[in-house]
Amino acid sequence: NAGVMQNPRHLVRRRGQEARLRCSPMKGHSHVYWYRQLPEEGLKFMVYLQKENIIDESGMPKERFSAEFPKEGPSILRIQQVVRGDSAAYFCASSPGITEKLFFGSGTQLSVL
Amino acid sequence: DAKTTQPNSMESNEEEPVHLPCNHSTISGTDYIHWYRQLPSQGPEYVIHGLTSNVNNRMASLAIAEDRKSSTLILHRATLRDAAVYYCILRDGVQGAQKLVFGQGTRLTINP
Repeated sequence: NAGVMQNPRHLVRRRGQEARLRCSPMKGHSHVYWYRQLPEEGLKFMVYLQKENIIDESGMPKERFSAEFPKEGPSILRIQQVVRGDSAAYFCASSPGITEKLFFGSGTQLSVL
Repeated sequence: DAKTTQPNSMESNEEEPVHLPCNHSTISGTDYIHWYRQLPSQGPEYVIHGLTSNVNNRMASLAIAEDRKSSTLILHRATLRDAAVYYCILRDGVQGAQKLVFGQGTRLTINP
């Protein structure tokens, strides 16, 4: 059973471009979480999704950020019009249920030039 | 989410036991104590969790105080690969809390 897969591993964007980060949860997991980690800082929760539904987006910036987890395919974290402050490691995690442990991917390192 | 307090950093020697403390004085009756760790340049990984009784698994042991206001993660014989940031997190076992809230954690350094 493959782990949580995130791609790309590294993503470079210029200011104003769009960034799309993909996360394929582990097989059988219907719960997906996105976290952001700024350099030398802790992990900050962004959003929690179940298939086709956003359950908790309390950590998402109000503008430019969106997330989806369609019925088929990976979860996508989308950042429009990126700015330098968006440079960070973005981690995705999945779990089979809300009380189960989370399995994390290796992250996508976003660099905004 | 109930808050936990951990030392910012700790240091130990290879092949010695390591005791990582965590205080959680505001823990509620349905909160589980979870430990995750994050190795350099990797995503966090689950280590262990418990409710009231001490727990053991292949990675570590978790000792929980009788009043549940503190706990200790025990690495019985540290290796260089155990150098990581260790996070102690409370998670409601009924609601599931739906998300893990990470604090600053304890940065563990292992000396050869």
